[in-house]
Amino acid sequence: EIVLTQSPATLSVSPGERATLSCRASQSVSTSLAWYQQKPGQAPRLLIYDASNRAPGIPDRFTGTGSGTDFTLTISSLLPEDFAVYYCHQRRSWPPGPFGQGTRLEI
Amino acid sequence: EAQLVESGGGLVKPGGSLRLSCRTSGFTFSDHNMNWIRQAPGKGPEWVSYIDSKSIYIYYSESVKGRFTVSRDNAENALYLQLNSLRVEDTAVYYCARQFCSPSSCYMGWLDPWGQGTLVTVSS
Repeated sequence: EIVLTQSPATLSVSPGERATLSCRASQSVSTSLAWYQQKPGQAPRLLIYDASNRAPGIPDRFTGTGSGTDFTLTISSLLPEDFAVYYCHQRRSWPPGPFGQGTRLEI
Repeated sequence: EAQLVESGGGLVKPGGSLRLSCRTSGFTFSDHNMNWIRQAPGKGPEWVSYIDSKSIYIYYSESVKGRFTVSRDNAENALYLQLNSLRVEDTAVYYCARQFCSPSSCYMGWLDPWGQGTLVTVSS
């Protein structure tokens, strides 16, 4: 099973600043990695798929990069609605297993 | 707009059973592969099961294999998850989610949209 490790667990930033979130896979997943955003009381929402492609309707301040085992989600110029928990997930191995443990983005 | 609505959760004793439902609307259900995902309190999501549009290909996570059964009724636009031999560690919010499709392609393993979830609590 591929294990996804996210860092940091919590990231404190201010609106208008840039946030950089990391996801590391225990073995290569090529570019088969996605990022999800989850706000309190809501289901996760797909942000980025295949490492760098934004899902429809996702603003361009969200950028995904990386391949192999190291991936980054960058959120430029944070807005208040961006404060949430972010999860990474892989589909390189099937069944895909658990998501990363999440990074909480807080003010 | 695609909508997914789960139901059927509740409190059940260890060893008990539940059947979850996911009613869908706003898209052609029979064209899409579907998934169940769960999220234990305070934890990240965990993918649970996949079923393709024709119920030919079905997959489960190791943690539920042999205890859970996924099915679908394309005529009713509904997805189901039968949960048997429930354990305390199965306590979670259970979500159904459609396989994500961009305008050009569908992507097995990517999930969008999701329903709002239904809570399953396994406790004596």
